[in-house]
Amino acid sequence: DVKVTQSSRYLVKRTGEKVFLECVQDMDHENMFWYRQDPGLGLRLIYFSYDVKMKEKGDIPEGYSVSREKKERFSLILESASTNQTSMYLCASSRTGEVTEAFFGQGTRLTVV
Amino acid sequence: GQNIDQPTEMTATEGAIVQINCTYQTSGFNGLFWYQQHAGEAPTFLSYNVLDGLEEKGRFSSFLSRSKGYSYLLLKELQMKDSASYLCAVKDSNYQLIWGAGTKLIIKP
Repeated sequence: DVKVTQSSRYLVKRTGEKVFLECVQDMDHENMFWYRQDPGLGLRLIYFSYDVKMKEKGDIPEGYSVSREKKERFSLILESASTNQTSMYLCASSRTGEVTEAFFGQGTRLTVV
Repeated sequence: GQNIDQPTEMTATEGAIVQINCTYQTSGFNGLFWYQQHAGEAPTFLSYNVLDGLEEKGRFSSFLSRSKGYSYLLLKELQMKDSASYLCAVKDSNYQLIWGAGTKLIIKP
């Protein structure tokens, strides 16, 4: 059974804190993604990675950074959390290729107070 | 710009059939995906269309017309567990997924 695991289901952090969201996949997928999901909006891509130590900005990278030191792990970092970063964060992974679906983690609901 | 449109919310009756539409305008097209997302859970893959026509998978079918920039997801014999959001996503010319906001489907007994 394929699996993408996010380190926390729920997080509450204070404004200005540095926040780490961890994601691990066990499918040996090349591609990993971080999205945020807000009511009334589609999934918005923050960052993605096609290989170890490689990262690309998505549509809304401001205020975020990422790290991919190992193939199976992709971390999202909020350098200084702000209230407008309160959201559901979803990690996903996929194989490289045209017909490849994304597999998602269970999501982390982050509240910044 | 790139855009995917879906109805925000739909209501249907248990045992009935419902069609959820998706229209898209993207820079290139490399396939269209449908995902199901139950409240508070991760999206899960339902179907994929890259050629025009209908793809059937049990109670769920998905249709694509590339010339019209249009797809629909058809759910038959609705069950209460089908209450969820249904997300349409298109892979553009860079093979990036562009997501719609999702359609919340409410099933009534």
